[in-house]
Amino acid sequence: EPEVTQTPSHQVTQMGQEVILRCVPISNHLYFYWYRQILGQKVEFLVSFYNNEISEKSEIFDDQFSVERPDGSNFTLKIRSTKLEDSAMYFCASSDRVMRNSPLHFGNGTRLTVT
Amino acid sequence: SQKIEQNSEALNIQEGKTATLTCNYTNYSPAYLQWYRQDPGRGPVFLLLIRENEKEKRKERLKVTFDTTLKQSLFHITASQPADSATYLCALGDDKIIFGKGTRLHILP
Repeated sequence: EPEVTQTPSHQVTQMGQEVILRCVPISNHLYFYWYRQILGQKVEFLVSFYNNEISEKSEIFDDQFSVERPDGSNFTLKIRSTKLEDSAMYFCASSDRVMRNSPLHFGNGTRLTVT
Repeated sequence: SQKIEQNSEALNIQEGKTATLTCNYTNYSPAYLQWYRQDPGRGPVFLLLIRENEKEKRKERLKVTFDTTLKQSLFHITASQPADSATYLCALGDDKIIFGKGTRLHILP
């Protein structure tokens, strides 16, 4: 069964550094999402992306964050200047949205540790 | 503001019994509601979706109900097994799909 893949599985970075988290969504999917989960807390929506533009974003997704689909397969999340509180698991998801209520398919996440 | 509440942080159920998890929401009028399973260190996995005009949906040992008057969904696992131990999340929304905090279910052998 096709799956969403995320790289790296674990990223350690110093505060103030830029990080790029990478995702390869399922190939025929058109809707893409980033979520984060701080340890022990809930899965939080960051951003949704369709047709090469952001369709929704949360209050968390401030100017430090950006998303891009640089080619036909990758979907990236960039954090420009990381803070300690950005340490979390970041999940990418995709959906075909053939129907409005199509489910999300998640990758297994990138654990980001900011020191 | 929109809120999703899952009533228990953790639930212990004896193997073979039915586990029932609750999801309540406020300030939403969802056309559908989804349930996901999350294992430690892994991404959520989709289980079931129920639409507003459906009272009940089943898939193998899973059953979901949806009461738009009570603004509540119930998620049942019948004949529970230790392998069902996981965190179960409910989710609402369209472009912005929001998750509840989840209920950690432990099935005791």
